[in-house]
Amino acid sequence: GDSVTQMEGPVTLSEEAFLTINCTYTATGYPSLFWYVQYPGEGLQLLLKATKADDKGSNKGFEATYRKETTSFHLEKGSVQVSDSAVYFCALSEAGANNLFFGTGTRLTVIP
Amino acid sequence: DTEVTQTPKHLVMGMTNKKSLKCEQHMGHRAMYWYKQKAKKPPELMFVYSYEKLSINESVPSRFSPECPNSSLLNLHLHALQPEDSALYLCASSQIEANRDTQYFGPGTRLTVL
Repeated sequence: GDSVTQMEGPVTLSEEAFLTINCTYTATGYPSLFWYVQYPGEGLQLLLKATKADDKGSNKGFEATYRKETTSFHLEKGSVQVSDSAVYFCALSEAGANNLFFGTGTRLTVIP
Repeated sequence: DTEVTQTPKHLVMGMTNKKSLKCEQHMGHRAMYWYKQKAKKPPELMFVYSYEKLSINESVPSRFSPECPNSSLLNLHLHALQPEDSALYLCASSQIEANRDTQYFGPGTRLTVL
């Protein structure tokens, strides 16, 4: 079945550090891939997405590339800010399936 | 505009109360979803509506009763809840159900059952 495996947290970084959050997936078909961000006390916001192999999603300095050969969609940012502190969820959506398959979430804390 | 709104933001209710959660979107989406999220966990799907008809019920107890009055609105009626039902309830919408479409989430209703 479909599943998403996400890097265990929590992750603590200093401001301006480089961020990588690993995400790998298992899917029977050809899914769309997403990163959602959840700030404290809020709902999920779409951060970026990719719908086919080698697509790169990007937003607010974050990037992730859909790698079919390694079934991965790692999230990266070159220089994190305190305001990036949140929980990040990797997710996939498969044609014919109603559910979004979520990873377990990675809590990021950025310290000044 | 990719906004999904939810009211109320917070809700405290007793186990004998009846209350409703509301969700609204004006993106013309034809699929709407209810999710439940416990602390430090990813959201779990509860219900899916497609073209205003209930498409999926993920074995949710009958004390949760969804309703889709029109294509823009989604309600979740609550009755005789248990303390373990305390959670963040998230509404989402997408253009079409089960088509790899992006789901857009609302800010959620934080429910506490006493």
